[in-house]
Amino acid sequence: EAGVVQSPRYKIIEKKQPVAFWCNPISGHNTLYWYRQNLGQGPELLIRYENEEAVDDSQLPKDRFSAERLKGVDSTLKIQPAELGDSAVYLCASSPGRGGLAFFGQGTRLTVV
Amino acid sequence: AQSVTQPDIHITVSEGASLELRCNYSYGATPYLFWYVQSPGQGLQLLLKYFSGDTLVQGIKGFEAEFKRSQSSFNLRKPSVHWSDAAEYFCAVGMYSGGGADGLTFGKGTHLIIQP
Repeated sequence: EAGVVQSPRYKIIEKKQPVAFWCNPISGHNTLYWYRQNLGQGPELLIRYENEEAVDDSQLPKDRFSAERLKGVDSTLKIQPAELGDSAVYLCASSPGRGGLAFFGQGTRLTVV
Repeated sequence: AQSVTQPDIHITVSEGASLELRCNYSYGATPYLFWYVQSPGQGLQLLLKYFSGDTLVQGIKGFEAEFKRSQSSFNLRKPSVHWSDAAEYFCAVGMYSGGGADGLTFGKGTHLIIQP
């Protein structure tokens, strides 16, 4: 069974530029999460989808971040414009639903210069 | 809101020695508890999970964890560590509501160093 796939693995952009991350969850997993992991910290939840509906986006900085999950499968997380403080690893995870059991992708390491 | 505390930022253990990583949580009900491991440049791999039942849970790679409700703890143990166990370890708490599987709350992690 294929795991959670994310791309790109690494991204370097200049501040004020836009950037997008893509995630393909495990087949059949209705729940999809985006997390941000700052250096030396644990991941922090940005948004959770149940199928195509964003059911928890309370931690998503909505002035510059947006996300979508078309057809309840793949998802895209976008930042526009990026700031220096957005440098982090962005992790996507999916879950079959029970108890938050989540399987993570390898993440996208974003560096904003 | 739930929270997770991993009191040890770094732990150094000799290869072959036993290991215990501490985790304390704050949550109003019985939580779902997890341990994940993260190698450099990699995503998080699930080591083990506790949902209910037997408070001693077995995971992959020879790890186990014990849920102690009275101490709000979920410590991770391994009887004999290998050099390949060097990594970052994260404890996490989750919940399942009527709306689905809520996101996890993670601790800040414990960096495990293995001495030869």
